[in-house]
Amino acid sequence: KQEVTQIPAALSVPEGENLVLNCSFTDSAIYNLQWFRQDPGKGLTSLLLIQSSQREQTSGRLNASLDKSSGRSTLYIAASQPGDSATYLCAVKNYGQNFVFGPGTRLSVLP
Amino acid sequence: NAGVTQTPKFQVLKTGQSMTLQCAQDMNHEYMSWYRQDPGMGLRLIHYSVGAGITDQGEVPNGYNVSRSTTEDFPLRLLSAAPSQTSVYFCASSYSRPTGLAGETQYFGPGTRLLVL
Repeated sequence: KQEVTQIPAALSVPEGENLVLNCSFTDSAIYNLQWFRQDPGKGLTSLLLIQSSQREQTSGRLNASLDKSSGRSTLYIAASQPGDSATYLCAVKNYGQNFVFGPGTRLSVLP
Repeated sequence: NAGVTQTPKFQVLKTGQSMTLQCAQDMNHEYMSWYRQDPGMGLRLIHYSVGAGITDQGEVPNGYNVSRSTTEDFPLRLLSAAPSQTSVYFCASSYSRPTGLAGETQYFGPGTRLLVL
């Protein structure tokens, strides 16, 4: 059974700092991996999707990488801003299975 | 488009009471699903539907019922609420069963916070 963990559970950084969020999964035979953002009281918004054949995806200041062999993905946020404050979740999909979500990392970017 | 809407936003129930969480989407999506989110845990799939008249169980279906009589609506029923069902519930929809590919993005509602005493 696929299990997804995210470390750290919470992170607080000053504005302008570059940061990395981590996602680990136990079954490396994945189809793809998605990173989501969740704002308080809101639903999830998809940020980046990485297919199993890809190593990374970029969108603006966000860069997600995937290392299937080690069961890890990282989300890199460059030049963080207070508006980046949110909870970030990763979700992993194996073939024929539904997405399995991690518990999330709560990010606070301080002005 | 309103997207995915959920009602109510917050509900308090006593153990043993029943209620229905409403979910509606106006994007003509075939696939709809219900998740629950608990502190320190990821979203867990309760039930899902691939189209009107078709539903199936997810990871944690016990204590919940669903039906899909129209494409737009996918209500979640708690027949006899228990404190273990205290959680935040999210409804999501997509054109087809989400694989993460472009065009199959899941759209999430704002959630219903449920407290069972």
